[in-house]
Amino acid sequence: AQKVTQAQTEISVVEKEDVTLDCVYETRDTTYYLFWYKQPPSGELVFLIRRNSFDEQNEISGRYSWNFQKSTSSFNFTITASQVVDSAVYFCALSGTGGGADGLTFGKGTHLIIQP
Amino acid sequence: KAGVTQTPRYLIKTRGQQVTLSCSPISGHRSVSWYQQTPGQGLQFLFEYFSETQRNKGNFPGRFSGRQFSNSRSEMNVSTLELGDSALYLCASSFGGHTEAFFGQGTRLTVV
Repeated sequence: AQKVTQAQTEISVVEKEDVTLDCVYETRDTTYYLFWYKQPPSGELVFLIRRNSFDEQNEISGRYSWNFQKSTSSFNFTITASQVVDSAVYFCALSGTGGGADGLTFGKGTHLIIQP
Repeated sequence: KAGVTQTPRYLIKTRGQQVTLSCSPISGHRSVSWYQQTPGQGLQFLFEYFSETQRNKGNFPGRFSGRQFSNSRSEMNVSTLELGDSALYLCASSFGGHTEAFFGQGTRLTVV
């Protein structure tokens, strides 16, 4: 079975600080996909990034960056120079390819609060 | 281009009733998945439809069912509602496979 763990339930930082959201996953599949989504108070999950298990290159998109480390089964997300608009719940998710009926397996989410 | 549209946004139903939720995917997307989000269980996968066929199903009772139409629009039905069915139901559409899924704003179902 697949599992995604986001150990940080809530993080509160002051605007302009850097913040890292942790994600650890478990899967028996050799090919799998990792995702990050943002859920603002409106409820809609906003897609941020998709990564396949064979691509361990880190990625940067503006103030956002992702660190994928297969050796530690982690896919961490860093926001640089945080802004109030970054306040939301962030979900890490996993999609395997080994069959079964899992769809996207989500972590419990990290509630990020950016204080002005 | 238009995003994923879910209707209605809010619903209040009584225990024992049934409910149908609707999802219109992004144009060109043939895969529609449904998720239930609750404070206790988080986001859980319900099922996925692709080209009118259910491809995957999560661990939910048979009271939860769905279907997909030829235009890729999907409906989800919950029969004999229970208080525990109160949740935010999210629909996601994609091109299928393991491509990125785009979510609607959800339907907030309250069972009283």
